[in-house]
Parts: sequence; structure tokens; C-alpha cells
Amino acid sequence: EVQLVESGGGLVKPGGSLRLSCAASGFPFANALMTWVRQFPGKGLEWIGRIKTKSNGEAAAYGAAVKDRVTISRDDSKNTLYLEMNSLKTEDTGIYYCTTGDSGFAHWGQGALVTVSS
Amino acid sequence: QSVLTQPPSASGTPGQRVTISCSGGASNIGKNWVYWYQQLPGTAPKLLIYRNYQRPSGVPDRFSGSKSGTSASLAISGLRSEDEADYYCVTWDDSLYVVLFGGGTKLTVL
Repeated sequence: EVQLVESGGGLVKPGGSLRLSCAASGFPFANALMTWVRQFPGKGLEWIGRIKTKSNGEAAAYGAAVKDRVTISRDDSKNTLYLEMNSLKTEDTGIYYCTTGDSGFAHWGQGALVTVSS
Repeated sequence: QSVLTQPPSASGTPGQRVTISCSGGASNIGKNWVYWYQQLPGTAPKLLIYRNYQRPSGVPDRFSGSKSGTSASLAISGLRSEDEADYYCVTWDDSLYVVLFGGGTKLTVL
């Protein structure tokens, strides 16, 4: 069974940074393109970015709203996906999901709640 | 304001057929596959339709997707109370080089 478990969410002050992890199991993680998606309190969903496999250079791509503040990385030896974001703003508050795939996101984690507030 | 436009709400009675539209442009829906997701309250989104009209295993054939030009649609026939959820369309944009989400449609089963 495919499992994706996010961790690292919580309360962060504006201007601060966060590092989310996504532990994957039940599928060949090293062969999977992985994506981060977030959901705002008003329910809208936004693509944060994705990272390709090692054989594809672990190429990362990011959404316009975050691309200067975010880094997506992966550790295939640990079956773990990471999201690092800095210069956090109150509007970054939301639920952060890791997913498998490029646009057809077949599997989702339960999400990590990130609250940016002073 | 999403690049992909969906109606904010839709409704129907049990047994009815409802359609949710998703309008985009030449660089997104016009050139790429469209995906649909269902999000039940308090849960992560679930893939409902991929590559315009394909259904993952386990998704009932009451759900169907279509695409024409720069628009796509999700149809739900034989509406059931458990279909009450938010629905999102998704596609890639060749000009913006990002994945786009529609604003979402909240479906109410009356």
C-alpha cells in the first residue's frame, strides 16, 4: 500500500523558514516524480513544485508564487521528499501535501499544517 | 483569480446528472491533458479522472470527463449524497511552465 506521511508543520513567525519532510513507502520511490501541493484556508489548491528522479537529474520546477523562496529535494536512500521554504509570509499558511506524479497525482499524504503568524 | 475557471458551486438532487466546467486557454487545456480531483471534507484530494477522460480503478463509471478545445467538463450521473464534495480541474501550462489548479467547485446534493 502506498503511504505518504508529511511531517515538520507547525507555527512559524513571518520571515521564518520551514522544512517539511514526506516519508514514502509502498512503491519504488527512487523511480517516482514527486510533487508538493498546498491548500489555503479558503480551500484553493496551489502547485508548489516538483522534482524528477535521479536518472532525470533530479530536476526541480517551482510555481511562480514561491520559486524564489523554495527548494524541493529528495533522499532516495531514505525514501524521503523535502520542502524547504524561507521568508515565510502569513499568506503561506495552509496545508502542505506531498503527492506522486506530475499532474495526475495518484497518491497524497494526509498533509502538514503550516501556520505563519506572529 | 485562477487561470482555470470553474463555477464556485453546483447542485443537484439524488439521481440527477450534473456537469462541472473548467475553462482555460490555448497554452493549458488547449494543449495538455486535464485531470479532475474530488476532495471530501477533511481529506486530501483524490484523483478522479486522468488524461481527460480516463478513470483510475475504483472510480465509478458515474464519473466521466471530456475535453473540447480550451474547456473541459466533469459529469456525474446518478448523483448520490456521498458525491457532495469539492471538485478541482488540473492541467499543465506550456507558457507559465506550471501546473494549474482550477478554483474548485463545491457540489451540493440537495
